[in-house]
Amino acid sequence: SQTIHQWPATLVQPVGSPLSLECTVEGTSNPNLYWYRQAAGRGLQLLFYSVGIGQISSEVPQNLSASRPQDRQFILSSKKLLLSDSGFYLCAGGTAGNTIYFGEGSWLTVV
Amino acid sequence: GQQLNQSPQSMFIQEGEDVSMNCTSSSIFNTWLWYKQDPGEGPVLLIALYKAGELTSNGRLTAQFGITRKDSFLNISASIPSDVGIYFCAGKGVGSEKLVFGKGTKLTVNP
Repeated sequence: SQTIHQWPATLVQPVGSPLSLECTVEGTSNPNLYWYRQAAGRGLQLLFYSVGIGQISSEVPQNLSASRPQDRQFILSSKKLLLSDSGFYLCAGGTAGNTIYFGEGSWLTVV
Repeated sequence: GQQLNQSPQSMFIQEGEDVSMNCTSSSIFNTWLWYKQDPGEGPVLLIALYKAGELTSNGRLTAQFGITRKDSFLNISASIPSDVGIYFCAGKGVGSEKLVFGKGTKLTVNP
């Protein structure tokens, strides 16, 4: 079965600093990959998803970007963090037509 | 964009009671997934449904893919304290790999 790894688990960053959250997938190839943000423990907001290397679909225009440099690697970035970027970020992955699994999440606090 | 309406938003029940929650979509889906999330962790997949009318069980949990392909429900029988958490439905529309989520049902079980 597939496993989703994401890191770091916890991050405290000052306003204006850059961000890089990384996600990798084990146990499958050519997965669909997703980044979600969850605020206040409710509701998963889809930020980006990717169906292949270099293919990124952005769902919510904002201060973040995503990249997929390798088949099983998905990176969430920001050049300058805002206070409103704080939240719980979740990476998910799965093959087309199959189940989607989540990583353990990354807590980001922008101060 | 696509949205799922999940209800109820929260439930307070006594241990041993059965629970039912559902999700509806304004468009046809070809995949329905049900997740449970504990505080501070990533969602864990409970049940996956891929065909209209499909009824699938996982222990005390049962979920169905509605025959209209626009809804799904999750039932939990004989609830126990460890059932506490937030339950999410998620789905993919026809021809899309975008996985959208409902806003969750927060379940509290009183012993």
